[in-house]
Amino acid sequence: AQKVTQAQTEISVVEKEDVTLDCVYETRDTTYYLFWYKQPPSGELVFLIRRNSFDEQNEISGRYSWNFQKSTSSFNFTITASQVVDSAVYFCALSEAESGHSTLTFGKGTMLLVSP
Amino acid sequence: GAGVSQSPRYKVAKRGQDVALRCDPISGHVSLFWYQQALGQGPEFLTYFQNEAQLDKSGLPSDRFFAERPEGSVSTLKIQRTQQEDSAVYLCASSQDRGPSQPQHFGDGTRLSIL
Repeated sequence: AQKVTQAQTEISVVEKEDVTLDCVYETRDTTYYLFWYKQPPSGELVFLIRRNSFDEQNEISGRYSWNFQKSTSSFNFTITASQVVDSAVYFCALSEAESGHSTLTFGKGTMLLVSP
Repeated sequence: GAGVSQSPRYKVAKRGQDVALRCDPISGHVSLFWYQQALGQGPEFLTYFQNEAQLDKSGLPSDRFFAERPEGSVSTLKIQRTQQEDSAVYLCASSQDRGPSQPQHFGDGTRLSIL
């Protein structure tokens, strides 16, 4: 069965620090998709990025970057020069092609607190 | 608005009462999902609809939970004879197509408290 592990429960940083959120996944499927979502205090989950299992290129979007390594089953997320507005809970999630639809298996989330 | 809309935002019920939670997905989205999120945890899958067809209900915790999407748009999650362990945030999500690569768009959720 699929599983997503986010070992960091909570991370506290000071503004402008870089921070990396870890995500490790398990799946028997050869085709799968990995996602990151942000959940601010308002509660709505906001989609950040999707990565498929065949594309190991790292991606950068502004201050955000993602490092996908199939060899270690990891999909880590780095925020550069963190800001107070980055404070939220971040979830890593997995969907498998075998399921035929995009049902997500989530990790438990990492709460990021960025203080001024 | 153009996003997923859920109502009510908060619901308090006494143990044993029935509750109904509503989800209005993004217009034209084929797939609709319900998730349950306990405090401090990640969302957990409950059920999935493709248009009006409920294709997967493997995550529903008991037969007290029932979901429907009769016209392939608005969906309702009903919980009968509520119990304290049903207290959680119930999230609805929709996606444009049915494939596993589709990102899901979430509503703000309904926070259910059972007294």
